[in-house]
Amino acid sequence: AQSVTQLGSHVSVSEGALVLLRCNYSSSVPPYLFWYVQYPNQGLQLLLKYTSAATLVKGINGFEAEFKKSETSFHLTKPSAHMSDAAEYFCAVSGSGGSQGNLIFGKGTKLSVKP
Amino acid sequence: SAVISQKPSRDICQRGTSLTIQCQVDSQVTMMFWYRQQPGQSLTLIATANQGSEATYESGFVIDKFPISRPNLTFSTLTVSNMSPEDSSIYLCSVAWGETQYFGPGTRLLVL
Repeated sequence: AQSVTQLGSHVSVSEGALVLLRCNYSSSVPPYLFWYVQYPNQGLQLLLKYTSAATLVKGINGFEAEFKKSETSFHLTKPSAHMSDAAEYFCAVSGSGGSQGNLIFGKGTKLSVKP
Repeated sequence: SAVISQKPSRDICQRGTSLTIQCQVDSQVTMMFWYRQQPGQSLTLIATANQGSEATYESGFVIDKFPISRPNLTFSTLTVSNMSPEDSSIYLCSVAWGETQYFGPGTRLLVL
């Protein structure tokens, strides 16, 4: 069975500061891992994905995440926060079938960016 | 990636009624999914809809409450039947495209 834990339901950073959103997963098969972003009153947009290639994955809007198997983690980072980054971020895992199976989502982390 | 649209974008409904949500994709896709996002919660898969076969429902979701149609490779509908206030949620469709699922904008449903 697969599961995702996102530490911190709410993270607040100052504009220009480092963004770090934590995600730990559990999977009995090699996982595919995803980060999605949901802006207010919108659907989910894919930020980036890990599919067993490079462990450091770069996504849109300056975000990146590193797959660490030993720590079962896939934390999302951005060196410098922008006001437009304020949104809710979801980490998700699926089995080695990738998109063909059920995505298991974490509970989400709401990111606030202070001016 | 695929471009996905949903109708309606939002609705307010009375309890006991039903609402059908449409999901349209700009490309042919084999697998489509329907998710529910309850207020302040994460996403939960309702069912997987493959063209030409019955939808596969996740535990806790039944066909009588959430009937799904998949008449072709670009379209699907989800009906929320006999609604109650507990059905107030965002309903999202997604499609499998390569290694990734892409999501529609969601339908925001409020049941009074």
